[in-house]
Amino acid sequence: SQQGEEDPQALSIQEGENATMNCSYKTSINNLQWYRQNSGRGLVHLILIRSNEREKHSGRLRVTLDTSKKSSSLLITASRAADTASYFCATDPGGYNKLIFGAGTRLAVHP
Amino acid sequence: GAVVSQHPSRVICKSGTSVKIECRSLDFQATTMFWYRQFPKQSLMLMATSNEGSKATYEQGVEKDKFLINHASLTLSTLTVTSAHPEDSSFYICSAIDREYEQYFGPGTRLTVT
Repeated sequence: SQQGEEDPQALSIQEGENATMNCSYKTSINNLQWYRQNSGRGLVHLILIRSNEREKHSGRLRVTLDTSKKSSSLLITASRAADTASYFCATDPGGYNKLIFGAGTRLAVHP
Repeated sequence: GAVVSQHPSRVICKSGTSVKIECRSLDFQATTMFWYRQFPKQSLMLMATSNEGSKATYEQGVEKDKFLINHASLTLSTLTVTSAHPEDSSFYICSAIDREYEQYFGPGTRLTVT
């Protein structure tokens, strides 16, 4: 079953703008991960944030985690056309690497 | 980084036939692999956990007799879609876990059943 809900489902922005995607989940977690998927391709791991962390940065990516609200956000700053992709959050509620993915946000960055 | 491959990348088959998809960990041994299915514009749904040397564990709602999984070695898991129907058309993605419990995803296999 789907663990996470993501919003927005689709996001269209101009190059240079920031893109924020949100993810909510239902059960307790040890960590939450964000992945990127280009159309018709496999997944690329972006970042993992542990349950005892509140914020994490990686290049132009900033992830926050609020375990009290069971939500996370992914911020991409200074977006580029090459950032166009679908972004998914994923959790591992059971701790056995069985990932449950959110519905995903389709991001379109226009030149 | 670790690499996981899938073969074939695309396959078209006729309704009623069976299709085998391979998932290989190229530079590490994986005792556990996972199979996911992704319908167009939807998220990935976990189908089953493939354990080397033992039976696969299927998620609720996934028919084990229709989606046969064989994890014959530490570097290979296969998913066979038996008696495929058009509704089985989907993107199938595998992942493999290394000794550090890192998970790596394959590039996916696009199955089209006509």
